[in-house]
Amino acid sequence: AQSVAQPEDQVNVAEGNPLTVKCTYSVSGNPYLFWYVQYPNRGLQFLLKYITGDNLVKGSYGFEAEFNKSQTSFHLKKPSALVSDSALYFCAVRSYTGGGNKLTFGTGTQLKVEL
Amino acid sequence: SQTIHQWPATLVQPVGSPLSLECTVEGTSNPNLYWYRQAAGRGLQLLFYSVGIGQISSEVPQNLSASRPQDRQFILSSKKLLLSDSGFYLCACSIRGATGTEAFFGQGTRLTVV
Repeated sequence: AQSVAQPEDQVNVAEGNPLTVKCTYSVSGNPYLFWYVQYPNRGLQFLLKYITGDNLVKGSYGFEAEFNKSQTSFHLKKPSALVSDSALYFCAVRSYTGGGNKLTFGTGTQLKVEL
Repeated sequence: SQTIHQWPATLVQPVGSPLSLECTVEGTSNPNLYWYRQAAGRGLQLLFYSVGIGQISSEVPQNLSASRPQDRQFILSSKKLLLSDSGFYLCACSIRGATGTEAFFGQGTRLTVV
């Protein structure tokens, strides 16, 4: 079974400060890891993914994530937060199951960036 | 790139009424298709996924069913809605056979059962 944990329900950051949204995972075999963002009453938008290679992955809107195999973590980061980054962020892990390629999501972290 | 169309955007239905939500995909063939439900604006629960026409896997027992009558069409249904069926329903697709493929989501349907 695969699972993802996002330990923080909400993260508050001042604009211009760095932000981190935490994610840990559990999966048998090699993990495929993803970050998505959701704005109110909208679908999820893909931000970035880790499949293999460099542990630091760069994605959309200046976000990046660091894959740490020993800590089974995939934290989302941004050097300088913007108010417009305020949204709900989801971490997800994928395994191959009978061709289904199911994505399992964490419970989400609400990011609030304040002036 | 893939585009996912979901409709309607919002829906208010009485308890006991039937439900049909439709999702169609453009820009890819033979995709994996998914229905998720998001309750209380938070976690996503996978309801159904499909790897081909007529092939449906159910993740959790519930009052809903899914069908895939065409390659790029995925339908979520219920014969009699319950109050607990209220939520935000999201359709998603991913490319079959592509290593590391991410999923693409539709804009969702907000269902309120009254």
